Amino acid sequence: SQQGEEDPQALSIQEGENATMNCSYKTSINNLQWYRQNSGRGLVHLILIRSNEREKHSGRLRVTLDTSKKSSSLLITASRAADTASYFCATAGFQKLVFGTGTRLLVSP
Amino acid sequence: EADIYQTPRYLVIGTGKKITLECSQTMGHDKMYWYQQDPGMELHLIHYSYGVNSTEKGDLSSESTVSRIRTEHFPLTLESARPSHTSQYLCASSESGRTDTQYFGPGTRLTVL
Repeated sequence: SQQGEEDPQALSIQEGENATMNCSYKTSINNLQWYRQNSGRGLVHLILIRSNEREKHSGRLRVTLDTSKKSSSLLITASRAADTASYFCATAGFQKLVFGTGTRLLVSP
Repeated sequence: EADIYQTPRYLVIGTGKKITLECSQTMGHDKMYWYQQDPGMELHLIHYSYGVNSTEKGDLSSESTVSRIRTEHFPLTLESARPSHTSQYLCASSESGRTDTQYFGPGTRLTVL
């Protein structure tokens, strides 16, 4: 299975701090995606990074990808209470998208 | 906001009842998926479809069944609900192509008493 493992499982920070989440996977990929899930809701796509890219930015989000280490990180800068959610990485290979185990982020005011 | 809808949002039923969870999308996507997720836990793929009349079982064994008679519609049915079926069910869709970005509905929270 190429399921992503995310680290940490849970993260608690103060507003204004940066939050970093990591994702490791097992097999070759075409792209890696990050999703956000608010409590009790569906997932929302945040950002996609292709296998030939190393870094990508979108607003306060920065994603890196290291295919040699089979790992990715998601950085949320200047976090807000509204960023409180679960974050999932998902890897797209030759078969269907496979989701990681998720990181629960709590941002306190 | 993605154009993918799930009904009902919440359902509480007794053991043994037959239920159907509805999922519809207006994006014309060929691929559709059903996931099962317990609170705060990872997603488990239980069914998927790559087009009309195409359905496959996912990674997690499920007693539910699905059908895909129309592109936009992908209902999930439980013939006889049990307390072990209590969970959140998420429907998603994606268009054919290499990015495989998925768009999710809001989910159905099912409680079987």
